[in-house]
Amino acid sequence: DAGVIQSPRHEVTEMGQEVTLRCKPISGHDYLFWYRQTMMRGLELLIYFNNNVPIDDSGMPEDRFSAKMPNASFSTLKIQPSEPRDSAVYFCASSPSRGQGNWGSNQPQHFGDGTRLSIL
Amino acid sequence: DQQVKQNSPSLSVQEGRISILNCDYTNSMFDYFLWYKKYPAEGPTFLISISSIKDKNEDGRFTVFLNKSAKHLSLHIVPSQPGDSAVYFCAAPSNFGNEKLTFGTGTRLTIIP
Repeated sequence: DAGVIQSPRHEVTEMGQEVTLRCKPISGHDYLFWYRQTMMRGLELLIYFNNNVPIDDSGMPEDRFSAKMPNASFSTLKIQPSEPRDSAVYFCASSPSRGQGNWGSNQPQHFGDGTRLSIL
Repeated sequence: DQQVKQNSPSLSVQEGRISILNCDYTNSMFDYFLWYKKYPAEGPTFLISISSIKDKNEDGRFTVFLNKSAKHLSLHIVPSQPGDSAVYFCAAPSNFGNEKLTFGTGTRLTIIP
């Protein structure tokens, strides 16, 4: 059973460059989440999608950040231009929908192994 | 405004003993709580959850306790094993649909052989 797949695992680039992080969710999962983990702020949700549609992007820090989900098996998080303060570990996660009649319960999110981004 | 708080950044426990990790929350509307475990260079993995209608949920060596009046939950690991050394996050859904998770800052658990 393939889990959530993220690429690249590590990215080192210079300030001002465009960075694209990629995610393949678990097949059949309707929800996809992008998180960022830093020492200062911990694990914070940036944006999430349901059935490829962005639902909540209130966690996206600035207009330099954008995310897309062109189909059910692929999503990207782009930073343009990148800045040193964007250095962090970025995680993608996916989860299935709640089952019918299962209102109020939560399906655990499955995380990828993250992309460690360093902006010099 | 941190709605889910883990006030202990680290904890060391002797192998075989009980590990107790704590989490406090501020929003009384939370109706579901989860614990995730994270090893270095890996993503968090789901460990155990509890609904607000319960005060205890057990899964093998792991038990989560919920005290709604105190807005406090705890994760007990008995007996602790070296493989339990990891960072543990508590989380709660912060929206009506329960998809949007708010995470605590994590507690690094070290099991001493």
